[in-house]
Amino acid sequence: GAGVSQSPSNKVTEKGKDVELRCDPISGHTALYWYRQRLGQGLEFLIYFQGNSAPDKSGLPSDRFSAERTGESVSTLTIQRTQQEDSAVYLCASRGVGNRVRGYTFGSGTRLTVV
Amino acid sequence: LAKTTQPISMDSYEGQEVNITCSHNNIATNDYITWYQQFPSQGPRFIIQGYKTKVTNEVASLFIPADRKSSTLSLPRVSLSDTAVYYCLVGEDNTDKLIFGTGTRLQVFP
Repeated sequence: GAGVSQSPSNKVTEKGKDVELRCDPISGHTALYWYRQRLGQGLEFLIYFQGNSAPDKSGLPSDRFSAERTGESVSTLTIQRTQQEDSAVYLCASRGVGNRVRGYTFGSGTRLTVV
Repeated sequence: LAKTTQPISMDSYEGQEVNITCSHNNIATNDYITWYQQFPSQGPRFIIQGYKTKVTNEVASLFIPADRKSSTLSLPRVSLSDTAVYYCLVGEDNTDKLIFGTGTRLQVFP
């Protein structure tokens, strides 16, 4: 598609439930990133995919967080047994082969609220 | 990636020029300076990048002194639609991930 698409745009879930967040990157973009942004804060790096492999998972905050990617397409971020501190906007970005630092295209994010 | 320091917030009025300065004392030889802009309820987007001296595009100008320990993003004649958070990032141009600080929240008033 023309941009990075994320779904759902908003998600309210009860504490302890599992959630799945989806990211559709720009077609042909090999690199895909997940970031978390708490209210009023900057972006916190979670995980990076190159193709369907994840060379950098250093930002995942706990083993309740996992992510996968199918080929060079859709990625899913899963949060198990959600906690209230997981409430945030989860942003996905994709990037093509060239234009490293300037080449990120972000989606509009999924706003997750854990009640 | 080099640590950056920028003001938490700034206020301005429509039509004024806004200058946001970022400090990056530990910038390395291969590092570039990149600015991203984030509107409410959207992801960040690239606005400008430079290595030294001055860079200008249709959106902004970026001024970088000779020692490169700081940089200034200049927005000419801001409008209400320039209300956003502006992030300064410093790192190699071929880095695999961006590290964002807390940014500068610019509020433009009528």
